[in-house]
Amino acid sequence: AQTVTQSQPEMSVQEAETVTLSCTYDTSESDYYLFWYKQPPSRQMILVIRQEAYKQQNATENRFSVNFQKAAKSFSLKISDSQLGDAAMYFCAYRGSGGSNYKLTFGKGTLLTVNP
Amino acid sequence: NAGVTQTPKFQVLKTGQSMTLQCAQDMNHNSMYWYRQDPGMGLRLIYYSASEGTTDKGEVPNGYNVSRLNKREFSLRLESAAPSQTSVYFCASSQDNRETQYFGPGTRLLVL
Repeated sequence: AQTVTQSQPEMSVQEAETVTLSCTYDTSESDYYLFWYKQPPSRQMILVIRQEAYKQQNATENRFSVNFQKAAKSFSLKISDSQLGDAAMYFCAYRGSGGSNYKLTFGKGTLLTVNP
Repeated sequence: NAGVTQTPKFQVLKTGQSMTLQCAQDMNHNSMYWYRQDPGMGLRLIYYSASEGTTDKGEVPNGYNVSRLNKREFSLRLESAAPSQTSVYFCASSQDNRETQYFGPGTRLLVL
């Protein structure tokens, strides 16, 4: 079974600085999808970024980028120019690409605090 | 565009009571999902519906039933609530199994 590990329960960053959140996963599949979701205090789960494993290029969405290391099974999220609104719980998630594989497997999350 | 909506937002039940959590999406998605989130954990899949007319068990289906009423709506029923079912429940939808899942705002359920 696939597992997703987020080794940092909590992280903090100064406003305008850069922070990197770590995620590792275990799978025997060669094709799969990885995601970062943000959950602010409102509890709404918001997609931050998505990466297809077959793509070598790291995904980027404005101030958010990933460092995808397929061989190392590592998928870290970098937040540049951190803003107060970035404070939230961040979840890394994995999904296989098989025809019947619908399940997202989530890590336990990293709570990010942004200090003014 | 509302996306994924869930009702109610918060509910308190007594042990043994039943209730149905409602979910609807207006994105014309084929697949819908129910997850639960417990403290200190990520979300875990309860049931999913790959397409209208089909449902399948996820990781933690015991104590729950689901109904895919039509393409838009996917409900989760607790027949006899237990304190272990105290959790936050999220509904999600996606175009198909290869596409991104989009989540509703969640329902917080407290079983006393």
